[in-house]
Amino acid sequence: EVQLVESGGGLVQPGRSLKLSCAASGFTFSNYYMAWVRQAPKKGLEWVATISTSGSRTYYPDSVKGRFTISRDNAKSSLYLQMNSLKSEDTATYYCARLSRTMGHYFDYWGQGVMVTVSS
Amino acid sequence: DIQMTQSPASLSASLEEIVTITCQASQDIGNYLSWYQQKPGKSPQLLIHSATSLADGVPSRFSGSRSGTQYSLKINRLQVEDTGIYYCLQHYSAPYTFGAGTKLELK
Repeated sequence: EVQLVESGGGLVQPGRSLKLSCAASGFTFSNYYMAWVRQAPKKGLEWVATISTSGSRTYYPDSVKGRFTISRDNAKSSLYLQMNSLKSEDTATYYCARLSRTMGHYFDYWGQGVMVTVSS
Repeated sequence: DIQMTQSPASLSASLEEIVTITCQASQDIGNYLSWYQQKPGKSPQLLIHSATSLADGVPSRFSGSRSGTQYSLKINRLQVEDTGIYYCLQHYSAPYTFGAGTKLELK
């Protein structure tokens, strides 16, 4: 059974940093692209970052480019999101998601999410 | 960036009714379109991928279709457990973009 378990969320002040983790199990982690998707309270879904299988390629939307860094440790089957210079608008539930290996890269499995609150 | 215009924003339907939700892409995205269902307090779940393919374990009353740059999610014979918020996603090119969501309730 595919499982994705996020951790590391919490309350952080604006301008500070936070690192999220996602522990994967039930599949060969190193064979899959992975991603982070977030959802602000009562709002829709926003893609945040994607990383290739080896970690050599990463992709971000303009809203987080230069502030967030996605990374992975295939030996530990773990995905990470380093978030720097946090803003109030980064307040959201952050989901770890696996990208399919078939046509396109849709999100076929999601974690339960972890809440990040940016507030003074 | 590719914009996904999803409609309606909310929908109230009766049990056993047929429900249709649409997403209009701002440019050609081929079949790089997927649909997700999200229940309150839960993570999104994949329903449809590649515009028309049913994800594993998803009931056959769900189906997806495409006409040009318009994509539709159809639910035949609406059930109680189908309430929630539905999102489309284009994964043709970065930045990947979601529709704004459709909140489906039972009448």
